[in-house]
Amino acid sequence: EDQVTQSPEALRLQEGESSSLNCSYTVSGLRGLFWYRQDPGKGPEFLFTLYSAGEEKEKERLKATLTKKESFLHITAPKPEDSATYLCAVRNNAGNMLTFGGGTRLMVKP
Amino acid sequence: GAGVSQSPSNKVTEKGKDVELRCDPISGHTALYWYRQSLGQGLEFLIYFQGNSAPDKSGLPSDRFSAERTGGSVSTLTIQRTQQEDSAVYLCASSPMGQGNEQFFGPGTRLTVL
Repeated sequence: EDQVTQSPEALRLQEGESSSLNCSYTVSGLRGLFWYRQDPGKGPEFLFTLYSAGEEKEKERLKATLTKKESFLHITAPKPEDSATYLCAVRNNAGNMLTFGGGTRLMVKP
Repeated sequence: GAGVSQSPSNKVTEKGKDVELRCDPISGHTALYWYRQSLGQGLEFLIYFQGNSAPDKSGLPSDRFSAERTGGSVSTLTIQRTQQEDSAVYLCASSPMGQGNEQFFGPGTRLTVL
């Protein structure tokens, strides 16, 4: 059974204070690790897909990296508008659905 | 372009009643998914449709839950004889293809069973 664990559950940062969110996973044949952002009362918004260890992707202040056991979402010099819940999910080579972690709630204070 | 849309945005019902939730996927997307997000829990897969293939119903929690997709586009999730534990946000997602492509989510329907 695929499992995804995200840490920390909540993270408070000051504006400009860089940090990383962790996503540890076990999956039978990884066919994609996905990062989403979810604002309160809204559906998840797609950020990145990573397919193989060593792969990295960037978007504005966000950078996602992948190893064989975990993924990190690095946030550089965050702004208050980066406050949201960040979700990690994996897809295996047998199924079509995503298995999600519990998310990290990020709060960036000005 | 237009994203995934869902209706209603909120639904309050009484225990034992049936409810129908609607999802309009992004035009041209052949794959459609339903997930459930309960308070304090992560997103939980319910059902998957891909083109004209038989749906993957492996995530449906009980036989009170069913879904259909008409004409390869709009989908309806039906919950019969609702229970309080069915209270959650029901999210629909679509993707261009069934294999390995990003899923784009709608805003969800918040269901409250009294």
